[in-house]
Amino acid sequence: QVQLQESGPGLVKPSQTLSLTCIVSGGSISNGGYYWSWIRQHPGKGLEWIGYIYYIGSTYYSPSLKSRVTISVDTSENQFSLKLSSVTAADTAIYYCARYDSSAYDAFDIWGQGTMVTVSS
Amino acid sequence: EIVLTQSPGTLSLSPGERATLSCRASQSLRNNYLVWYQQKPGQAPRLLIYGVFNRATGIPDRFSASGSGTDFTLTISRLEPEDFAVYYCQQYGSSLWTFGQGTKVEIK
Repeated sequence: QVQLQESGPGLVKPSQTLSLTCIVSGGSISNGGYYWSWIRQHPGKGLEWIGYIYYIGSTYYSPSLKSRVTISVDTSENQFSLKLSSVTAADTAIYYCARYDSSAYDAFDIWGQGTMVTVSS
Repeated sequence: EIVLTQSPGTLSLSPGERATLSCRASQSLRNNYLVWYQQKPGQAPRLLIYGVFNRATGIPDRFSASGSGTDFTLTISRLEPEDFAVYYCQQYGSSLWTFGQGTKVEIK
């Protein structure tokens, strides 16, 4: 079965770029019908969708973060990545990668375990 | 952007009791893209319900959901100890995914 695993630094300095990678195992990222997404959760708060990428490289970002977000895909490595620039303390959160299944569920059916990123000097 | 408002914020109930959670959308969800997730402490959310009322694979039938337009409901018929968690609704519309702020179901 498909599994997702986030990786990246747990601590980022203010004004720098947060970079995370999500490794997809148990299935190909190039299978159609899935939108590979990033979602974050501020400590003790709700969920915020950041954006998605389709395996051919098309992307869509949340308008509130669009100016700072880049999501890319590496089909050869079966992984996708998030870059969030000019971070501040407000970007401190648990970052999840998730698969949006647009064929069977129209929902985020598989999630990574999440990785905590703290923005601090 | 469609805003989802969940109520109540916290529901204090005993095992065996019935839980009724509400999710209200700021605009009508014409396409039935309304989903429910369960999140336990330290874990990622888990898909419970999709397409307003369809249970995801492996979800027990004590979980049911309904609704249309702007008002949606998740019901847990008889709470089991493992059901105490936070529940989020989520919608997709206009190329945006948004989540409600969550309802915490806690042990009374």
